[in-house]
Amino acid sequence: AQKVTQAQTEISVVEKEDVTLDCVYETRDTTYYLFWYKQPPSGELVFLIRRNSFDEQNEISGRYSWNFQKSTSSFNFTITASQVVDSAVYFCALSPRGSGTYKYIFGTGTRLKVLA
Amino acid sequence: DAGITQSPRHKVTETGTPVTLRCHQTENHRYMYWYRQDPGHGLRLIHYSYGVKDTDKGEVSDGYSVSRSKTEDFLLTLESATSSQTSVYFCAISDGGLDNSPLHFGNGTRLTVT
Repeated sequence: AQKVTQAQTEISVVEKEDVTLDCVYETRDTTYYLFWYKQPPSGELVFLIRRNSFDEQNEISGRYSWNFQKSTSSFNFTITASQVVDSAVYFCALSPRGSGTYKYIFGTGTRLKVLA
Repeated sequence: DAGITQSPRHKVTETGTPVTLRCHQTENHRYMYWYRQDPGHGLRLIHYSYGVKDTDKGEVSDGYSVSRSKTEDFLLTLESATSSQTSVYFCAISDGGLDNSPLHFGNGTRLTVT
């Protein structure tokens, strides 16, 4: 089965707190890609990061960081010192490459509310 | 921003009527997708296309058909709309490639079936 689980439906934090959004994936393919997208209240879907299955290096971009662990099939997203503008729905996605198709499977999303 | 235009942006229609949503891209990307977004379900793949006249079903394809006669256009048709198809529909594109480029999304079409 190919699946993405975002168990946290909604998270509320106070501004400047750190927050981690969890993403667990399932695939039997050895080659796959993982993504995070942000959907702010305005509704558009914004690409944040891509990671392939052979690159387990963590990545940091400003206040955002991503922790990829193949051993636990997780690709978690941490926002440091959260801001009100971080309030959005965040989606994790998986694109397995074993069958040669280019499908992208999304989790159900985590709604993050950052309170001033 | 990727050149993706969805039309219409909003539509209200009655149960049983046919509806066609259009996605137009100016990026010459090979892959195009239709997703629907519903509360509690995230984004679910309806159909996708991997080239002109080449399409395949996603996880929620029942009640939907698609066509791609040109690289730049991908049409989603609801032959006989039902209330369960009330949703926000997103088109997305990707150029595939060895590094599996990310999806870039259009701004969505909000469809209400009354």
